[in-house]
Amino acid sequence: EAGVAQSPRYKIIEKRQSVAFWCNPISGHATLYWYQQILGQGPKLLIQFQNNGVVDDSQLPKDRFSAERLKGVDSTLKIQPAKLEDSAVYLCASTQPSGFLSTDTQYFGPGTRLTVL
Amino acid sequence: KQEVTQIPAALSVPEGENLVLNCSFTDSAIYNLQWFRQDPGKGLTSLLLIQSSQREQTSGRLNASLDKSSGRSTLYIAASQPGDSATYLCAVRGGGSQGNLIFGKGTKLSVKP
Repeated sequence: EAGVAQSPRYKIIEKRQSVAFWCNPISGHATLYWYQQILGQGPKLLIQFQNNGVVDDSQLPKDRFSAERLKGVDSTLKIQPAKLEDSAVYLCASTQPSGFLSTDTQYFGPGTRLTVL
Repeated sequence: KQEVTQIPAALSVPEGENLVLNCSFTDSAIYNLQWFRQDPGKGLTSLLLIQSSQREQTSGRLNASLDKSSGRSTLYIAASQPGDSATYLCAVRGGGSQGNLIFGKGTKLSVKP
């Protein structure tokens, strides 16, 4: 079974530029998550999709970050314009809900490392 | 607001030693607690998941315990190997309808041959 795929793996941009990240979840997984992991910190949830609908985007900086999951499969996360503090690893994860939150496990992709200069 | 703390932040041990990583959380209303492993340049791999009604889980040389009432979990690694070197993250799945994962900052483990 293929895992969660992300691209690009690395990206370096100047501040105020735009950038987009792509995620392809495990086939059949209805729930998709985007996390931001700043160096030395644990991952922080940015947005959660259930199929192609947003379930939770309470921690997404909506003035500069946007995300979409058209057709309920692939997802893109965009930053426009980027700031220095956006330098981080952006992780995508997916899960197929069983109906029991106590047992569901999230499967993570390798992440995209963003450096903003 | 749920907060997860991991101690120590870094740990270096000689090969073969048994070791314990600690995790504490502030709100006991959780669905589960998970331990993840993160290798440089790679994503997170789930090691063990302990449901809120369980006390411990075991997988090979790994054993994780959960004391929900005191807000603590430990990850025990027996007979450590250089291949165990990685960052270990603790995460709790919080209450509420979505039960989002809240992560600690991790413990960076180095096992020296």
